[in-house]
Amino acid sequence: AQSVTQPDIHITVSEGASLELRCNYSYGATPYLFWYVQSPGQGLQLLLKYFSGDTLVQGIKGFEAEFKRSQSSFNLRKPSVHWSDAAEYFCAVGDPQAAGNKLTFGGGTRVLVKP
Amino acid sequence: SQTIHQWPATLVQPVGSPLSLECTVEGTSNPNLYWYRQAAGRGLQLLFYSVGIGQISSEVPQNLSASRPQDRQFILSSKKLLLSDSGFYLCAWTPGPSRGYTFGSGTRLTVV
Repeated sequence: AQSVTQPDIHITVSEGASLELRCNYSYGATPYLFWYVQSPGQGLQLLLKYFSGDTLVQGIKGFEAEFKRSQSSFNLRKPSVHWSDAAEYFCAVGDPQAAGNKLTFGGGTRVLVKP
Repeated sequence: SQTIHQWPATLVQPVGSPLSLECTVEGTSNPNLYWYRQAAGRGLQLLFYSVGIGQISSEVPQNLSASRPQDRQFILSSKKLLLSDSGFYLCAWTPGPSRGYTFGSGTRLTVV
């Protein structure tokens, strides 16, 4: 079964600074990969996804992520953080071969933005 | 366009009482449907998923059950709530494996 690790539980970044959130997965082949964002008390919103092709994917809200097969990673980046980016971010992995199109989520990284 | 509705938004229930949370999807047919629970400060735990009417797969044995009486309706139930059932419950749907999930706005359940 696949697994997902987000090594950083909390990250604090200054507004305007760059942000990188780490995601490592365990899976035998190339999985489907996703990043979601969750504001407090809300559901999750899809930021971006990767399942094939160009390993650098662009998403909404100025986010991008890079798939690195050799490192089993799918890190999320944003060049300049806005105060509204304060939220919790989840990386998720989907197994293309598994029934039910299930996703496995990482434990999340909470991002705090300093003024 | 497709939308997902989940209700109620918040719920406070006494221990031992029943539970029914409802999720409906509009604008699509035959979606895959999911119930996740998010405990405080933790990630998401898949509880149930369904690939069709009456087809329910349970991921974690526990005090909850799920049903899918109609194509776009997914219900999470319990006969007797436990304190440990408290959490944030999220419904989600997807049309296919590479599309990712669309989540509802969640239900905050507090069992007292």
